[in-house]
Amino acid sequence: NAGVTQTPKFQVLKTGQSMTLQCAQDMNHNSMYWYRQDPGMGLRLIYYSASEGTTDKGEVPNGYNVSRLNKREFSLRLESAAPSQTSVYFCASNFDRDTIQPQHFGDGTRLSIL
Amino acid sequence: QQPVQSPQAVILREGEDAVINCSSSKALYSVHWYRQKHGEAPVFLMILLKGGEQKGHEKISASFNEKKQQSSLYLTASQLSYSGTYFCGTEILESGSARQLTFGSGTQLTVLP
Repeated sequence: NAGVTQTPKFQVLKTGQSMTLQCAQDMNHNSMYWYRQDPGMGLRLIYYSASEGTTDKGEVPNGYNVSRLNKREFSLRLESAAPSQTSVYFCASNFDRDTIQPQHFGDGTRLSIL
Repeated sequence: QQPVQSPQAVILREGEDAVINCSSSKALYSVHWYRQKHGEAPVFLMILLKGGEQKGHEKISASFNEKKQQSSLYLTASQLSYSGTYFCGTEILESGSARQLTFGSGTQLTVLP
């Protein structure tokens, strides 16, 4: 079972470059999430999509955009990367955001911005 | 509002017990516990609901104290495989707010042979 798949696993960018992080899940989940994880900060929610066709801001949305391409895929875009966006990015999904459900995480994308 | 986890780090010998706490300044609806090993994705352990009972997973259990807005994770007879960083994610009770998890900064658990 693939679960939640993120690509790429590693990426190095220069300041000002743009990039899209991809996430796909094969569990027929309705809700998908993007988090960033910085040392000592835990996981912080960037954006989420409660269902196909909807997206909402989380705790730290500035500098990011998202697209829920279809039920399976949820992408995160950095339009003009900044060193402060160096982080590990995790995508997660669960069946239904309006009920209590565990979130299933991908393996993460390690992003460095020089 | 980020929940506060304590302790920040703990070192155990195999077979010893540990308790990790997660506290919130706001009324909680649910608490989710995850474990993350270095370089890997967080893995779900259990969910505690407001008004719910203590839950268990292998030799790991947790409780939810509504009066204190605190959840505690209990690891008994720890094994080497329990090493990792434990995160709590809290969902608050607030009318009009969107449901989302806010994670604590984590407790790093190291189990030594």
